Amino acid sequence: QKEVEQDPGPLSVPEGAIVSLNCTYSNSAFQYFMWYRQYSRKGPELLMYTYSSGNKEDGRFTAQVDKSSKYISLFIRDSQPSDSATYLCAIGGSGYSTLTFGKGTMLLVSP
Amino acid sequence: KAGVTQTPRYLIKTRGQQVTLSCSPISGHRSVSWYQQTPGQGLQFLFEYFSETQRNKGNFPGRFSGRQFSNSRSEMNVSTLELGDSALYLCASSIQGGNTGELFFGEGSRLTVL
Repeated sequence: QKEVEQDPGPLSVPEGAIVSLNCTYSNSAFQYFMWYRQYSRKGPELLMYTYSSGNKEDGRFTAQVDKSSKYISLFIRDSQPSDSATYLCAIGGSGYSTLTFGKGTMLLVSP
Repeated sequence: KAGVTQTPRYLIKTRGQQVTLSCSPISGHRSVSWYQQTPGQGLQFLFEYFSETQRNKGNFPGRFSGRQFSNSRSEMNVSTLELGDSALYLCASSIQGGNTGELFFGEGSRLTVL
């Protein structure tokens, strides 16, 4: 079992839709949970950073962590065509010297 | 504040050749990490340098090597190139690095091996 699993998509939604992106992980030692966004031909950029279970909101974006289920989510409200990108989850924690990335989910938001 | 700069952005090599990629981190960042990104494997960690010392290394063959200079700039080298080395190579800098810090990525160097 891979340490971090993420559905590659693509996920196609109409503009204005609520988007849910998810990752599962296998090791409860993970403590830090991040979402990166990567536009085509660009490097990833940090979107959300959470440390504990629960929700963290930033504008149209909400990151949710459920440590008991080893499940993390990113919700995008009122999705826009400019949200079209690949979203990568990244997880870290004690005992892990580096971040572990999911393979990314490609999101396409059509006008 | 300038971001992470990677050069060259694109390059084409043939099997057996070697390549050197360069990364200039954000000013003040002492950690530089390198990742290989391919459609099939996603982002895979190559190595991390902190204050000129390799702090962590991923599961890549010895053909992949790197170094960091006193000004925190870093280079990675791939020798005896194989077709499977075709990928986007991303450099990321951070203040502390490791497993908890925010990573700032460059736009990458896209390597094609023919």
